[in-house]
Amino acid sequence: EDQVTQSPEALRLQEGESSSLNCSYTVSGLRGLFWYRQDPGKGPEFLFTLYSAGEEKEKERLKATLTKKESFLHITAPKPEDSATYLCAAGSGSARQLTFGSGTQLTVLP
Amino acid sequence: GAGVSQSPRYKVTKRGQDVALRCDPISGHVSLYWYRQALGQGPEFLTYFNYEAQQDKSGLPNDRFSAERPEGSISTLTIQRTEQRDSAMYRCASSLGPGDSGNTIYFGEGSWLTVV
Repeated sequence: EDQVTQSPEALRLQEGESSSLNCSYTVSGLRGLFWYRQDPGKGPEFLFTLYSAGEEKEKERLKATLTKKESFLHITAPKPEDSATYLCAAGSGSARQLTFGSGTQLTVLP
Repeated sequence: GAGVSQSPRYKVTKRGQDVALRCDPISGHVSLYWYRQALGQGPEFLTYFNYEAQQDKSGLPNDRFSAERPEGSISTLTIQRTEQRDSAMYRCASSLGPGDSGNTIYFGEGSWLTVV
């Protein structure tokens, strides 16, 4: 059974304090590792897709990396507007059904 | 449309009633997905369509749940004889191409169902 585990469940950072979020996955036939951002009351907003170990992608203060068992979302010098829940999902199967983790709730304090 | 549109945004229904949730995907998107999201959890896959064909319904919890997409665009998720445990956020998503093409999956804002 496909499984995705995210840690920590919640993270509080001071503005400018860099950190990383972890996503561990066990998936047969990985077809992409996805990161989404979700604000309260909103749908998940796509951030990145990674397809192979060693791949990295960046967007503003965020950088996602992928190994054969984990993905990391690195946040450099975060700002309060980066506060959100960050969801990791593994795609598998012919339809790339996404198996989501429970998310990391990030709070960045000014 | 500009994004995935779902209606109603909020639905309160009595136990035992049937409900229908509607999804209008991004214009031109071939693939359409239904997910369910409980509070504090990530979305959970329910079912998936390419065009009008339901390709996978392995995530539907039981036979009270059904989905259709008769013309390959708008989709309806129907829950018959609702139970309190059906209360959740139901999210629709769409992607440009068939599921195996590596396209990004975009989510709607969801329909929040409360069964009382």
